[in-house]
Amino acid sequence: QKEVEQNSGPLSVPEGAIASLNCTYSDRGSQSFFWYRQYSGKSPELIMFIYSNGDKEDGRFTAQLNKASQYVSLLIRDSQPSDSATYLCAVSRDDKIIFGKGTRLHILP
Amino acid sequence: EAQVTQNPRYLITVTGKKLTVTCSQNMNHEYMSWYRQDPGLGLRQIYYSMNVEVTDKGDVPEGYKVSRKEKRNFPLILESPSPNQTSLYFCASKLGTSLYGYTFGSGTRLTVV
Repeated sequence: QKEVEQNSGPLSVPEGAIASLNCTYSDRGSQSFFWYRQYSGKSPELIMFIYSNGDKEDGRFTAQLNKASQYVSLLIRDSQPSDSATYLCAVSRDDKIIFGKGTRLHILP
Repeated sequence: EAQVTQNPRYLITVTGKKLTVTCSQNMNHEYMSWYRQDPGLGLRQIYYSMNVEVTDKGDVPEGYKVSRKEKRNFPLILESPSPNQTSLYFCASKLGTSLYGYTFGSGTRLTVV
């Protein structure tokens, strides 16, 4: 069974600190990796994607990929209350994208 | 504005009454997909389409139908809705295969009584 695993949380992080969200996947043939942010009652929004091992930075967000360990992470620097949301990890191979169940992040003011 | 538009946003219906949820995208995307999202179960794919007249089952296709007669439209049809299809539904589209992520519509909250 191909799966994407995330800790459901909630993960509580003080405002201004670094939030670290983790995701593991089971399919070694996975090709692309995505992070979505979903506010309560809203649709998922794509915030980061990464294809190659290493780090990819975009503003306060850094995605990290380690294909050998089948591990993807998302770092959010200088966390803001507006970052409070559920973060979905998604993994793609060929035509299919599989989503994790998400990690709820709560930024403490 | 580039977007995926689905309608209606909210729908309450009775068991067995056929319904259609419409989805349209204006980004000339090849791929379109329908997901349902339920508490504790996450996003589950119902059907997806790789191009006009090309569709395939996702993880939970039972009780649903789709069609892709035009590139921009991908309606979801429930021929005989049942209460276990009460859920939050999302339509999504993407440009191509594995390198691309989905852009999601605003969602349709369906209640079947």
